[in-house]
Amino acid sequence: EVQLVQSGAEVKKPGESLKISCKGSGYKFVTSWIAWVRQMPGKGLEYMGMIYPDDSEITYSPSFQGQVTISADRSISTAYLQWNSLKASDSAMYYCARLGTLENWFDPWGQGTLVTVSS
Amino acid sequence: QSVLTQPPSVSGALGQRVTIPCTGTSSNIGAGYDVHWYQQLPGEAPKVLIYRAINRPSGVPDRFSGSKSGTSASLAITGLQAEDEADYYCQSYDSSLSSRIFGGGTKLTVL
Repeated sequence: EVQLVQSGAEVKKPGESLKISCKGSGYKFVTSWIAWVRQMPGKGLEYMGMIYPDDSEITYSPSFQGQVTISADRSISTAYLQWNSLKASDSAMYYCARLGTLENWFDPWGQGTLVTVSS
Repeated sequence: QSVLTQPPSVSGALGQRVTIPCTGTSSNIGAGYDVHWYQQLPGEAPKVLIYRAINRPSGVPDRFSGSKSGTSASLAITGLQAEDEADYYCQSYDSSLSSRIFGGGTKLTVL
C-alpha cells in the first residue's frame, strides 16, 4: 500500500524555526514527486511546491517562493518542509501528497501536520 | 482569490443530483492541462475523486462523474447521500504561474 506518514503536531513561537516531515512507503520514493499543500483554518487548499527526490529538483508556487524550504532525504524516503522564522500567519494544517511522473494528480495524501504559531 | 473559480457552497436533497463547476482560463484548463477533483470529508485529508477530468479511481462510486469543456470543468454527484457532505476542490496547472493550482473549494450540504 502506498502511504505517506507525516510528523506530529507542532506548537511554536513566532521567530522560531521548524522542519516537518513526510515519509513515503509502498512505492519507489525517488521516482515520484512529493508536494506540500497548506490549509489555513477554515480555508481552502493552497499548493506550496514540490520536490523530485531522485535529483532534488524543486519547484515552488510563486506565493511560497522564499517563504519555506522543501527538501528530501532519499536514503530514508522522507521529504521535509522547513521554516527559518515562523509567523503567526503560518499557523495551518500542512499536507504532503505524492504526484506521479505520469499520474499528475495528488494521491495519496499524508494525514496532515498541524502547525500552531503563537506567543 | 483562486485562479480556478468554484462556488463557495452548493446544496441538494437526499437522492438528488448536484453539479459543481470549476471555471478556469486559457492558461490552465483552457490550455488543455489536466483537471482533477478532490473530496475532503470533515476532519480528514483530501483524497482524489476524479482524475484527468473524467476518470474515477477504483473505490469511488459511479455516482461521481466529471466533465470538461473549454475553460471549465464540472463535477456531478447523483443520488446524493448524507456521507457526500464534504468540501470539493478542483485542481489543474497554470502556465502563467508555472504552478499547480486549486480552486477555492465548494462546500456541499446534503439537505
